[in-house]
Amino acid sequence: ETGVTQSPTHLIKTRGQQVTLRCSSQSGHNTVSWYQQALGQGPQFIFQYYREEENGRGNFPPRFSGLQFPNYSSELNVNALELDDSALYLCASSLLLSGSVEQFFGPGTRLTVL
Amino acid sequence: AQRVTQPEKLLSVFKGAPVELKCNYSYSGSPELFWYVQYSRQRLQLLLRHISRESIKGFTADLNKGETSFHLKKPFAQEEDSAMYYCALSTDGGATNKLIFGTGTLLAVQP
Repeated sequence: ETGVTQSPTHLIKTRGQQVTLRCSSQSGHNTVSWYQQALGQGPQFIFQYYREEENGRGNFPPRFSGLQFPNYSSELNVNALELDDSALYLCASSLLLSGSVEQFFGPGTRLTVL
Repeated sequence: AQRVTQPEKLLSVFKGAPVELKCNYSYSGSPELFWYVQYSRQRLQLLLRHISRESIKGFTADLNKGETSFHLKKPFAQEEDSAMYYCALSTDGGATNKLIFGTGTLLAVQP
């Protein structure tokens, strides 16, 4: 059983650009969540995808969007990047059945917006 | 508003001393509480959850609904316990597995 992987590890973009971050979930997991972790803060929930449909969203604007694919991979897209988008982006996969279950986190992608 | 508060950014103790990492939450319904840990150069991982009522690596945490707290305790700290600890809250009964995290406490266990 392989763990959650994310790519790229680091990324530098300029304000106004668009970025796509990728995540490969643990095999068999039907749910992927994305979190933003600013420096010195805890992870903040962006949204979750369950069976390729958005299943809950945090307090993030529509320029944050996502996709989940049948092969356990997923994407986080951010349009019109702002300086405050600089953060560590974490994805976490889980098997959502009933009741809260353990989420398995990836190592994260460090995004810097200049 | 649903919120998790970890009042200490840094907790420094000596090896063998008791440890208590504080966590308070704000939620009027039935919460589910978790402790996640991140060791140096490793990814965030689940340490324990209140519904399991188990001890992991000597750590325990009891949900106190009256005080809205979920403090993490260990009677005798070890150097390998040094890590960043996050308390997290789930409020939707597992519908989305959305977690609300605190800001974290860095535990430093001195030899």
